[in-house]
Amino acid sequence: EDQVTQSPEALRLQEGESSSLNCSYTVSGLRGLFWYRQDPGKGPEFLFTLYSAGEEKEKERLKATLTKKESFLHITAPKPEDSATYLCAVQAMDSSYKLIFGSGTRLLVRP
Amino acid sequence: DAGITQSPRYKITETGRQVTLMCHQTWSHSYMFWYRQDLGHGLRLIYYSAAADITDKGEVPDGYVVSRSKTENFPLTLESATRSQTSVYFCASGHTDTQYFGPGTRLTVL
Repeated sequence: EDQVTQSPEALRLQEGESSSLNCSYTVSGLRGLFWYRQDPGKGPEFLFTLYSAGEEKEKERLKATLTKKESFLHITAPKPEDSATYLCAVQAMDSSYKLIFGSGTRLLVRP
Repeated sequence: DAGITQSPRYKITETGRQVTLMCHQTWSHSYMFWYRQDLGHGLRLIYYSAAADITDKGEVPDGYVVSRSKTENFPLTLESATRSQTSVYFCASGHTDTQYFGPGTRLTVL
């Protein structure tokens, strides 16, 4: 069964304190791994799609990396506006483009 | 403006009533999806559609009906609402390498 597990469930950082969020997955043939950001009361906002082990993508203070079993979302020198829930999802080769989501990591960045 | 919209944004209904949630996208994406988001479960797929008149079940389809007569619209109907269907519902549209989500509908079933 395809599955996604995110850790930690919640993370509190001081402004400027870099850290990483983890997304472990099991899937029968990975088509893509997705990262989304979700603010309270809003829909998920697309950040990245990664396709193969070793791939990296960056956007401002965020960098996503992918291995055969997990993905990391590295946050460098975070700011309070980076506070949000970060969601990871996988798409299997035979899934008709369906996404399977993890439960997310709630990030709070204190000024 | 291009994008994906959902209506209503908030809905309160009673057990046993029929409710329809609307989703409209202006990108002409082939794929559209309905998810529900609950504490402790994350986002779960209800139904999806690969094109007009083509729909298929997701992870939690029981109690829901969808249709897609036009590419841009993908309504979700709760035929007889139950309290367990109290949730936040998100519509998404996209293509092979991403999905874009709407703002959500918060549904409360009393």
